[in-house]
Amino acid sequence: EVQVVESGGGLVQPGGSLRLSCAASGFIFTDFYMHWVRQDPVKGLVWVSRIDPDGSTTSYADSVRGRFTISRDNAKKTVYLQMNNLRAEDTALYYCVGGRDHWGQGTQVTVSS
Amino acid sequence: DIQMTQSPSSLSASVGDRVTITCRASQSIGGYLSWYQQKPGRAPKLLIHSASALQSAVPSRFSGSGSGTDFTLTISSLQPEDFATYYCQQTYDTPITFGQGTRLEIK
Repeated sequence: EVQVVESGGGLVQPGGSLRLSCAASGFIFTDFYMHWVRQDPVKGLVWVSRIDPDGSTTSYADSVRGRFTISRDNAKKTVYLQMNNLRAEDTALYYCVGGRDHWGQGTQVTVSS
Repeated sequence: DIQMTQSPSSLSASVGDRVTITCRASQSIGGYLSWYQQKPGRAPKLLIHSASALQSAVPSRFSGSGSGTDFTLTISSLQPEDFATYYCQQTYDTPITFGQGTRLEIK
């Protein structure tokens, strides 16, 4: 059974940091690009970042480039999203996605003072 | 960035109806187009990838077509469980982008 489980979300003040984790199982982790996608009621679904299967190539949305860093540990079948200098507009439900069809249930990030 | 525009934004239909949702890309994306269904409180579910390939275990009443800039998702005969929000997504280039969504409601 495929499982993708995000953790690490929470309430943080503007300018603060959070590290999201995503533990995957039930599929060949090293075959898949892994993504972070966020969703809020106003902007809908927004792609945030992607990492290739061996972790050598990453991509970011313009809105997070320079503040967020995606990484992966293939031995642990885990993807991370380090989020620094958080802003109110980063408030959203953050999904981890394996390929196109392996979605987690999301972890809520709220940036507020 | 490639902009994805869906129409309509919302749609009311009845069980048994045939429904078509359109997605237009701001530039050619070949066949790099996926469709997702999302129900409240749930993660999106992949229905169609590569513009027209039905994802495993998705009912055959769902179909996708198109290439280049214009794409459609068709539900041939609406079932009660199909009332949800539908999103298109392009993976031709980064940043990957989604349409704004089409909310399908019961008439």
